[in-house]
Amino acid sequence: GQQLNQSPQSMFIQEGEDVSMNCTSSSIFNTWLWYKQDPGEGPVLLIALYKAGELTSNGRLTAQFGITRKDSFLNISASIPSDVGIYFCAGQLGGGSNYKLTFGKGTLLTVNP
Amino acid sequence: NAGVTQTPKFRILKIGQSMTLQCAQDMNHNYMYWYRQDPGMGLKLIYYSVGAGITDKGEVPNGYNVSRSTTEDFPLRLELAAPSQTSVYFCASSYLGTLTGELFFGEGSRLTVL
Repeated sequence: GQQLNQSPQSMFIQEGEDVSMNCTSSSIFNTWLWYKQDPGEGPVLLIALYKAGELTSNGRLTAQFGITRKDSFLNISASIPSDVGIYFCAGQLGGGSNYKLTFGKGTLLTVNP
Repeated sequence: NAGVTQTPKFRILKIGQSMTLQCAQDMNHNYMYWYRQDPGMGLKLIYYSVGAGITDKGEVPNGYNVSRSTTEDFPLRLELAAPSQTSVYFCASSYLGTLTGELFFGEGSRLTVL
């Protein structure tokens, strides 16, 4: 099946720093998504990208859908302690597979106050 | 709003026991999913359903069964529990499949098999 390579696996940063993480795939996806999972909770959608080249912001978060449709990145600016959690990228093939998301393994973010 | 509700939140099973993880959603979503999350491994799809009476296998279905008799409920059955099934299980639902990408997840059920 499809696999997403998400990096880095973990990050330790100081409050106020910017963060960047990315996902790459050998397959083309029609949709790229970024989820965040707080400790002890289920993942929550942060940003959805539907078009190659699309750049979308949600507050301090910015994500881009790669031109090749095989990659995406997520940036967090001016990190704060509540940004702590696991960030997952996910891709959707589309067409007859609209029920399936392929998830990356996650990036664990720790923010030191 | 309740959203997606999972029970139990925690459970310890002995090898060979069986149990059912319950999932209910009150958003009238057509699509429902069961994922398992193992440390550092992301989320793996176990089973999914596109509507009442319709279920299908995901990526890792072995050792599990599901049913979907109503729109609201999507229980996951573990038969003959094995240590490899120790994991955190998440139920999720969505309205238009993944066309919008937004799955709504429950809080998870942590299962340990000893």
